[in-house]
Amino acid sequence: DQQVKQNSPSLSVQEGRISILNCDYTNSMFDYFLWYKKYPAEGPTFLISISSIKDKNEDGRFTVFLNKSAKHLSLHIVPSQPGDSAVYFCAARTGNQFYFGTGTSLTVIP
Amino acid sequence: NAGVMQNPRHLVRRRGQEARLRCSPMKGHSHVYWYRQLPEEGLKFMVYLQKENIIDESGMPKERFSAEFPKEGPSILRIQQVVRGDSAAYFCASSPEINYGYTFGSGTRLTVV
Repeated sequence: DQQVKQNSPSLSVQEGRISILNCDYTNSMFDYFLWYKKYPAEGPTFLISISSIKDKNEDGRFTVFLNKSAKHLSLHIVPSQPGDSAVYFCAARTGNQFYFGTGTSLTVIP
Repeated sequence: NAGVMQNPRHLVRRRGQEARLRCSPMKGHSHVYWYRQLPEEGLKFMVYLQKENIIDESGMPKERFSAEFPKEGPSILRIQQVVRGDSAAYFCASSPEINYGYTFGSGTRLTVV
């Protein structure tokens, strides 16, 4: 039962362009959403979060958008840099648990 | 991430042996979470602990798996009589308070041969 879905397993973007990573969820009880970035052989690193009462949160080059009616979350990275190449996980919280998507591998091409 | 320390980084066990995975949370963090990542899958919640208490173990298999977070020392995830299907990356995370963003450790990669 995958309550959080990342339907694109991979994405390639040219350096300097915008990267858009998408995430869909099914549980309307989720009240807090996060994006994590993961490099090989390392644990996930927190990137940015958004509460369900907001529809946008921005932190530098990273912006997260939440569309509650569509149950859709997206992460925008602009401009994309080669160091952004990693696997990105979205996560959603209800109760004690965070539910994670399966990840999108982003490759930023120099 | 130097904050949450997991060891060992890699663990190889034969079928039927026990695996012990350790997690030291970040300083000041009293909430510990264990997640498992199977190949080609996302992170799956296993258990949430506070000092000396298991708060939520709904994601942990009922048999062979146990977790503890003693008053002193690291949190331990124990897998008894390991089977090949237990091979995965096990991540520990900690937070200063409930439902706050996690900080993850680098994981323990368990291989059962």
